[in-house]
Amino acid sequence: GAGVSQSPRYKVAKRGQDVALRCDPISGHVSLFWYQQALGQGPEFLTYFQNEAQLDKSGLPSDRFFAERPEGSVSTLKIQRTQQEDSAVYLCASSHPRERGGGETQYFGPGTRLLVL
Amino acid sequence: RKEVEQDPGPFNVPEGATVAFNCTYSNSASQSFFWYRQDCRKEPKLLMSVYSSGNEDGRFTAQLNRASQYISLLIRDSKLSDSATYLCVVNKRSYIPTFGRGTSLIVHP
Repeated sequence: GAGVSQSPRYKVAKRGQDVALRCDPISGHVSLFWYQQALGQGPEFLTYFQNEAQLDKSGLPSDRFFAERPEGSVSTLKIQRTQQEDSAVYLCASSHPRERGGGETQYFGPGTRLLVL
Repeated sequence: RKEVEQDPGPFNVPEGATVAFNCTYSNSASQSFFWYRQDCRKEPKLLMSVYSSGNEDGRFTAQLNRASQYISLLIRDSKLSDSATYLCVVNKRSYIPTFGRGTSLIVHP
């Protein structure tokens, strides 16, 4: 079946511009994660949704970052007033929680490469 | 100290070699552990989960040492196609994964 898709794949923004990144998770996957990956680093957790509920947003770096998943499927990560340090790959992942909880295989999308000039 | 630490490498090995990576974690309450593989400019993909008893999948063996708080990945008979970055992942709560920065492996002919 279809995997996780993200759009756009590449985004160039001028400093101060707002951007919106979209994630389409695997159909039926309850959990959805957003990560930020800088060059040469591992993915850093940003936020987590279970269905439409945002259960954890502790990784969002500032109040310029906002994520939503209003119908429990597609999610959007919005960055307001972008800064050069926001340049990174933004990865979305979805998973289906195991019955016992704790530890889920995550399926990643291809990411959105954001460059802020 | 970072929550999950990995030697970034690169590990440069010839085809057929055996190579091992370690990953240490700081939170003793961590519940689940994984190795992911990430090819250049691609997304991470699950390689294998890591169980307390150790587990093997073909040429790959993963082990967990809770007492010393590290996990390991052993790759036997390395192939050129094994060249990638290997990411260690530790779940400190039931759903929040923490990634290491990754270890780069280069397998050469």
